[in-house]
Amino acid sequence: QSVLTQPPSVSGAPGQRVTISCTGSSSNIGAGYDVHWYQQLPGTAPKLLIYGNSNRPSGVPDRISGSKSGTSASLAISGLQAEDEADYYCQSYDSSLNGFYVFGTGTKVTVL
Amino acid sequence: EVQLVESGGGLVKPGGSLRLSCAASGFTFSSYSMNWVRQAPGKGLEWVLSISSSSSYIYYIDSVKGRFTISRDDAKNSLYLQMNSLRAEDTAVYYCARAIAARTHYFDYWGQGTLVTVSS
Repeated sequence: QSVLTQPPSVSGAPGQRVTISCTGSSSNIGAGYDVHWYQQLPGTAPKLLIYGNSNRPSGVPDRISGSKSGTSASLAISGLQAEDEADYYCQSYDSSLNGFYVFGTGTKVTVL
Repeated sequence: EVQLVESGGGLVKPGGSLRLSCAASGFTFSSYSMNWVRQAPGKGLEWVLSISSSSSYIYYIDSVKGRFTISRDDAKNSLYLQMNSLRAEDTAVYYCARAIAARTHYFDYWGQGTLVTVSS
């Protein structure tokens, strides 16, 4: 069971903006550990989408953005496109567990 | 181009063993921490083990302690996962992933994954 909680699903029409929350606690996000985000298209390996809370790797469009505040983080996708339909996971570190790295529960984004 | 290619997955009976490999190319393998992350069918991602560059540090989740061993051969640009005493709950796609050392490490490149099925 993950210590980072995400909504199971979010949806939006093409062109709309959707946000995905990642809620942690004082032993992970709230302790100041950075949050990273991954996109997993159906049947493929995860791909790094955001690192260090809000940084985009080369090739990730600027309609994708990340932020962090307190014990939570968010991923926003603007100008939603059909190719954004995928699973999204946040990741951080938790100081209270044996687990060195922790992932969020995952969110399925559906483009209506 | 960075590439990570896993192999070695398959069907194994409970209590059995399996060895996964991950062949790396396109970067200086010895300079990076490497990891195994798994994903059970229809479930989310779970980090399993990490090995630092030069194999100085190894970290793992409790559920694989004493059963799984991570190792690397920098001369062969390869990462390994020896899995013993396998259980049904170890059934998953196993990904190798390169970690970037940052305030909180993250995984910038992933392999395509190899499926491990533990079933009688």
